[in-house]
Amino acid sequence: KQEVTQIPAALSVPEGENLVLNCSFTDSAIYNLQWFRQDPGKGLTSLLLIQSSQREQTSGRLNASLDKSSGRSTLYIAASQPGDSATYLCAVSPTSGTYKYIFGTGTRLKVLA
Amino acid sequence: KAGVTQTPRYLIKTRGQQVTLSCSPISGHRSVSWYQQTPGQGLQFLFEYFSETQRNKGNFPGRFSGRQFSNSRSEMNVSTLELGDSALYLCASSQTGAGYNEQFFGPGTRLTVL
Repeated sequence: KQEVTQIPAALSVPEGENLVLNCSFTDSAIYNLQWFRQDPGKGLTSLLLIQSSQREQTSGRLNASLDKSSGRSTLYIAASQPGDSATYLCAVSPTSGTYKYIFGTGTRLKVLA
Repeated sequence: KAGVTQTPRYLIKTRGQQVTLSCSPISGHRSVSWYQQTPGQGLQFLFEYFSETQRNKGNFPGRFSGRQFSNSRSEMNVSTLELGDSALYLCASSQTGAGYNEQFFGPGTRLTVL
């Protein structure tokens, strides 16, 4: 059974720091992995999608890497800003054609001005 | 291009009632998925529809049901509401389904059961 874990559960950093959020999954057989952010009480905003054949994806100050064999993904945020404060979620899609995502528990990030 | 829309945004119901939530996907997207989000369980998959067919269903009781229309709009229904059904219900759309394309989420419907 696929399980997705995100560490740390919460993180508080001063503005301007570079930071890394971690996502681990127990079954390396995945189609893709997607990173989202969620602001309090809101829906999810897609950040990056990494297909299983890719190693990383970049968008602006965000970079996500994927190591399928070790069951890990990291989201790197450069030069953090207070507007980056949110909960960050990773989700994996199993290869069994289930048409669903299995979500991690999220990392709650607070960037202090 | 308009994003995923969900209606209503907030609902308050009492135990035993039933509720219907609606989701309109991004134009051109044929896959619609539903998720339940609670503080204790996080995000849990409910079901997924593509071209009016349910392709997968999560581990939820039969009180939870859904359907998809020919224009790809989707509804989910919860009958005989329980206190534990209080949650944020999120709808996501993609072109052909999770695992193949990027998924885009709507703002959610906040359901409170009293």
